[in-house]
Formats: sequence, structure tokens, C-alpha cells
Amino acid sequence: SAVISQKPSRDICQRGTSLTIQCQVDSQVTMMFWYRQQPGQSLTLIATANQGSEATYESGFVIDKFPISRPNLTFSTLTVSNMSPEDSSIYLCSIDRDGYTFGSGTRLTVV
Amino acid sequence: QQQVKQSPQSLIVQKGGISIINCAYENTAFDYFPWYQQFPGKGPALLIAIRPDVSEKKEGRFTISFNKSAKQFSLHIMDSQPGDSATYFCAASGGTGGFKTIFGAGTRLFVKA
Repeated sequence: SAVISQKPSRDICQRGTSLTIQCQVDSQVTMMFWYRQQPGQSLTLIATANQGSEATYESGFVIDKFPISRPNLTFSTLTVSNMSPEDSSIYLCSIDRDGYTFGSGTRLTVV
Repeated sequence: QQQVKQSPQSLIVQKGGISIINCAYENTAFDYFPWYQQFPGKGPALLIAIRPDVSEKKEGRFTISFNKSAKQFSLHIMDSQPGDSATYFCAASGGTGGFKTIFGAGTRLFVKA
């Protein structure tokens, strides 16, 4: 199965700043997915990232707040912009290959 | 119509007992039903999955039971061990939902030694 490396694993950030999360897959994939998991909650899809096209965002998530890059078939970044404490959460990237494989997540705390 | 309802929210089981987690879905077009296991500080990991053409799938101590007419599926963990203590998510995807996976709310399982 594919291996996904996600970094940073955790960060504490000041409100109003931005954080970019990186996700590297050890094989080429067409679609990569970004999820948010608030403490003790389920997973909510933020957006789907296809290489060579704009990401597709789910209801409630906008590109200005969560810009995504997908420069090639093995890499993607998610930026959490102009952060507020409500953005404190775990962010996960994943791929779908006969079931999802997830990165280990980025635990973000905004103070 | 895209929801997946999961119960119970939390579960405490004695070592050696059977853990049972239930999920119900609404969209009859879903055609793939995975279960994920998540340990603290880790991303979810695929545990076992089933498609609606079978009523049961077993992998080691883990079994999925699937009832297509009732639109329900469940995870059974036989001989539960303390190492099984984790959060479990059911999910559904496919059909008119396309590639999107809808996750249940999660069940926190604690297996007492």
C-alpha cells in the first residue's frame, strides 16, 4: 500500500498567520484529498486536489481560506490562512486506492 | 441522504468479549463500505471493507456484517484485546456520491484488561 508523509506533525500558531501543510506520496496518484478532524469528531472533507487543475472545495470551505497546490502527481500542500482559534484541528491528507490511506495528520493549535 | 449514522458513540468491553459497532446509511447507491481504525495521534487506517454483493466479510478477529435491505452494516471484533482500544469510523462511498467518502461520527472503543 502507498505511504504518505505529512508534515509538520503539529504546530502552534498565532492567530492571523498562515500555515502550509505538506503531503508527499510514494507513488503517483490522480486525486488527493484533504480532511479536517476537529477534536473528538469525525472527518470532514475540505477539498479534492487533482494534478493540473483547481481543487474542488466542499460546502463551507473556500479557496481563499484553504488554498491548495498540486504541482505533481505525488505532492500536495494545504494552507490554512489567516488563522483563528476555530481553525484548531487535525488536518489530514489522503489518497483513495481501494480504500483511503491517510497521512499521520497535522495537529494545529491556534492561539 | 448522504449521511452515515454510527452508534454507539463510545463502548467499553471486557478483554475477550465481542465489540459491536453499527452503522446505517441512506443512499442506496453507495457501493463500498469500509471501516477505519484510528489510534491517538495517528491518521485513520483502513481495517476492513465490504461491497454490497456479500453479506459478511471476515478478516481475522474482525467481521463486517452487511444488511442491504435494512441499509445497515456492522463491525464485530471478536476476542477484543486492550490493543483494540481506538476510535472506529464506518464509511460509505461510490454510486452517485462518486469518489467521495462519507464518514460516520466514530465510536471510541475501550477494552478493559
